[in-house]
Amino acid sequence: KNQVEQSPQSLIILEGKNCTLQCNYTVSPFSNLRWYKQDTGRGPVSLTIMTFSENTKSNGRYTATLDADTKQSSLHITASQLSDSASYICVVSAQPGSARQLTFGSGTQLTVLP
Amino acid sequence: NAGVTQTPKFRILKIGQSMTLQCTQDMNHNYMYWYRQDPGMGLKLIYYSVGAGITDKGEVPNGYNVSRSTTEDFPLRLELAAPSQTSVYFCASIHAAGGQIKQFFGPGTRLTVL
Repeated sequence: KNQVEQSPQSLIILEGKNCTLQCNYTVSPFSNLRWYKQDTGRGPVSLTIMTFSENTKSNGRYTATLDADTKQSSLHITASQLSDSASYICVVSAQPGSARQLTFGSGTQLTVLP
Repeated sequence: NAGVTQTPKFRILKIGQSMTLQCTQDMNHNYMYWYRQDPGMGLKLIYYSVGAGITDKGEVPNGYNVSRSTTEDFPLRLELAAPSQTSVYFCASIHAAGGQIKQFFGPGTRLTVL
C-alpha cells in the first residue's frame, strides 16, 4: 500500500530560526514529490515539485531535498517568519499526470512564534 | 484568472439532506478533482475528471456523485448527508504540459452534518 509519512506532526520554533520537516514514502513506482503549504482555512499551495532525477529544489527560503534511494524528502525553511506558520504537506505521485495515484501525507503543523 | 473557486465556504446540513458543492476553474484545465480533508488526516481523493463528460471514482467515492458537463465546472453532489461526511472539501485542477505539472487548489468548503 502506498503511504506517505511526515514528521514531526507539529513543530514550534521562534521567528528567525531554521527548521527541517521530514517526509518518508513507500509509493511505487515513483514519479514526483511535491511540498505544499496550507494556511489555516485555505487550500494547499504548491512550494516545490521534484522528479526522480532531482536532488534539491529551492523556492525562496524553502529548500526541498529528495533521496529516491532511501525514499526520503525534507523541506528546510531558512530564517523563519511568522507567515510561515501553516501546515506543510508532502504529496507523492506514482504516475505522471494521474491524480488517482497521488498519495498525501497528513502534514506537519508549523507554528512560528515572535 | 480567478483560479479555482468553490462555493459555499461553509454549510451545515441535517442528516439526510442533500446539497451540491460548486467548483469552477477558469484556466481551461482538463483535469479536475475533489478531495476531502479530515482533521489530522491527509487529503483523500473522492472523484476526479480528465475532461468534460469523463469522471471516475477516487479513493473514497461512496455517498458522493459528480458531473462534468463543461471544462470549467465540476460540482460534487451529496444525496443523503451523513455525519461521516463532515469534513473540509477541496476542489483542484491540474495543468499538465511539456512534462510540467501544476496543481491548483480552491479555498475549500467546510461542511458539517448534524
